[in-house]
Amino acid sequence: ETGVTQSPTHLIKTRGQQVTLRCSSQSGHNTVSWYQQALGQGPQFIFQYYREEENGRGNFPPRFSGLQFPNYSSELNVNALELDDSALYLCASSLRGVETQYFGPGTRLLVL
Amino acid sequence: AQTVTQSQPEMSVQEAETVTLSCTYDTSESNYYLFWYKQPPSRQMILVIRQEAYKQQNATENRFSVNFQKAAKSFSLKISDSQLGDTAMYFCAFTSYNAGNMLTFGGGTRLMVKP
Repeated sequence: ETGVTQSPTHLIKTRGQQVTLRCSSQSGHNTVSWYQQALGQGPQFIFQYYREEENGRGNFPPRFSGLQFPNYSSELNVNALELDDSALYLCASSLRGVETQYFGPGTRLLVL
Repeated sequence: AQTVTQSQPEMSVQEAETVTLSCTYDTSESNYYLFWYKQPPSRQMILVIRQEAYKQQNATENRFSVNFQKAAKSFSLKISDSQLGDTAMYFCAFTSYNAGNMLTFGGGTRLMVKP
């Protein structure tokens, strides 16, 4: 059974740029959720995808967007990067109707 | 909206001793799920234990057990026979069907296990 994977592991961008983060869900899982974890804080929910559609969104602006593909993998896109976007971005997969989410190793984004 | 509070920012325990991490939550729902996740310095969030609110029996996983007090909205984690590898951030989290399976996390407790 393959766990959740994320790429890249680290990324450095400058303010105003755009970034795409990728996530492959655990085998058999059809739902992907994205979280932002600022340094020293708990993760904050960004959005969730199920069957290639957004299925819930946290308090994040529209410049945070996502995709889910037929194989259930997912992308998180952030446009017009701001310094406060610097954080660890976590992807979690689950099986719809089952509440436990399993996390990937995260992508550390630094915006300069 | 649900909230999760962890009142202990940092804790330490001697190896082989027992430690309890506290978590309280606020919700108006009756059917929900609670979790403890561990995040070591490698930063991957690892599931430690899960509790369904409709179950009165407290969940246990080897050295890890919870004290779930539904009326008090309290969900503490007890780690027995602490090991050096237990050193990590521990996060309490809540979800429910009405929350769309969105996890709401507490601010975390940093646990240091000392040799």
